[in-house]
Amino acid sequence: QSVVTQPPSVSGAPGQRVTISCTGSSSNIGAGYDVHWYQQLPETAPKLLIYDNNNRPSGVPDRFSGSKSGSSASLAITGLQAEDEADYYCQSYDSSLSGSVFGGGTKLTVL
Amino acid sequence: EVQLVQSGAEVKKPGESLKISCKGSGYSFTTYWIGWVRQMPGKGLEWMGIIYPGDSDTRYSPSFQGQVTISADKSITTAYLQWNSLKASDTAMYYCARRNGHYFSYWGQGTLVTVSS
Repeated sequence: QSVVTQPPSVSGAPGQRVTISCTGSSSNIGAGYDVHWYQQLPETAPKLLIYDNNNRPSGVPDRFSGSKSGSSASLAITGLQAEDEADYYCQSYDSSLSGSVFGGGTKLTVL
Repeated sequence: EVQLVQSGAEVKKPGESLKISCKGSGYSFTTYWIGWVRQMPGKGLEWMGIIYPGDSDTRYSPSFQGQVTISADKSITTAYLQWNSLKASDTAMYYCARRNGHYFSYWGQGTLVTVSS
């Protein structure tokens, strides 16, 4: 059971917008630590998607965006495409664990 | 080009020891933390611990403290994850990743460890 919570699954039709939530607590996201997002395609290593709450690494389409407020963060994907079907993880730092913490992951299904 | 190349898949028996590796290239190996992440079959990512190869400063997740050892040899730009006595529950994919700030910007391809009698 992760200290950072994500919905197990979300889905959307091609072209739609979906959001994935990431809820933490006062020892991680709520303490002001940044949130980062990773995309894991089937049978591949995770890939950095969003860093420091709302920044995209070079090469990541602007269809992906992140936001943070209080103890929660969100990943939004607009113009959903079949290739976006993957697992998505949020990650932050937790002061009580003195280390990184990942959310439980969210499986995105493109209908 | 930054690369992290991990050692190949391993099949071991319970009680055996194991050391897997992660070789960094294309950047200054001693100035970035390298972390290890576990992914059990069909499950999510778990942060195990992290090492700073410059001085071998190492931190562990409480869940993995005492269960594994993280080390690095900066002379060959390689980080390691080792077990003294494997259990069936150690069966998982293990990833190394380079940390920038508090996020992991580059990942290895993963090493699958299977522990079975």
